[in-house]
Amino acid sequence: AQTVTQSQPEMSVQEAETVTLSCTYDTSESNYYLFWYKQPPSRQMILVIRQEAYKQQNATENRFSVNFQKAAKSFSLKISDSQLGDTAMYFCAFMKQDSGAGSYQLTFGKGTKLSVIP
Amino acid sequence: GAGVSQSPRYKVTKRGQDVALRCDPISGHVSLYWYRQALGQGPEFLTYFNYEAQQDKSGLPNDRFSAERPEGSISTLTIQRTEQRDSAMYRCASSLVPDRTPGYGYTFGSGTRLTVV
Repeated sequence: AQTVTQSQPEMSVQEAETVTLSCTYDTSESNYYLFWYKQPPSRQMILVIRQEAYKQQNATENRFSVNFQKAAKSFSLKISDSQLGDTAMYFCAFMKQDSGAGSYQLTFGKGTKLSVIP
Repeated sequence: GAGVSQSPRYKVTKRGQDVALRCDPISGHVSLYWYRQALGQGPEFLTYFNYEAQQDKSGLPNDRFSAERPEGSISTLTIQRTEQRDSAMYRCASSLVPDRTPGYGYTFGSGTRLTVV
């Protein structure tokens, strides 16, 4: 079984500054995917960024980037130039590589509540 | 449809009543997942289907919870004899099988917020 741990229940950052959210996970799998999801007050679940475990290069999506350390089982999210619209819950999630059964089950951490302060 | 649709959006029920929550996945998505998200927590897996077959129900907390997807499209999650501890957001998600870019095609619905009073 996989576990995902987010050790920061709440964080805050000044607008335009940079913030890093931490995530660690535990698995015996060698091939898997890691995700960061954003859940704004509207309660939507929005995919922010995705990392494939077999890729050494860290994923980047505009102002969002990750620091993926496979040996340490660490997957942190960096948000640059924080904007008010970034205020949300952020969830780290793990997905095993499908074994052919068509299973794409996600295991989530408990989340980090990020507040961007004007 | 264009997205994953869930209904009702909100449901308030009295303890002991049965509730049925509906999920209409994206057209053509073979896999359908149910998650439960308690307040202040991340979503937790309940069960999933490929077409009409329930592949894994290991996350269902007890036998009061059941799910079906009889025609491989719309799914219903039923909770019998509801208890206050069942109060949560229930989310549905769907994806393609196989998904050549796992995760990108994984789409969540807006959820049903269930309150048991």
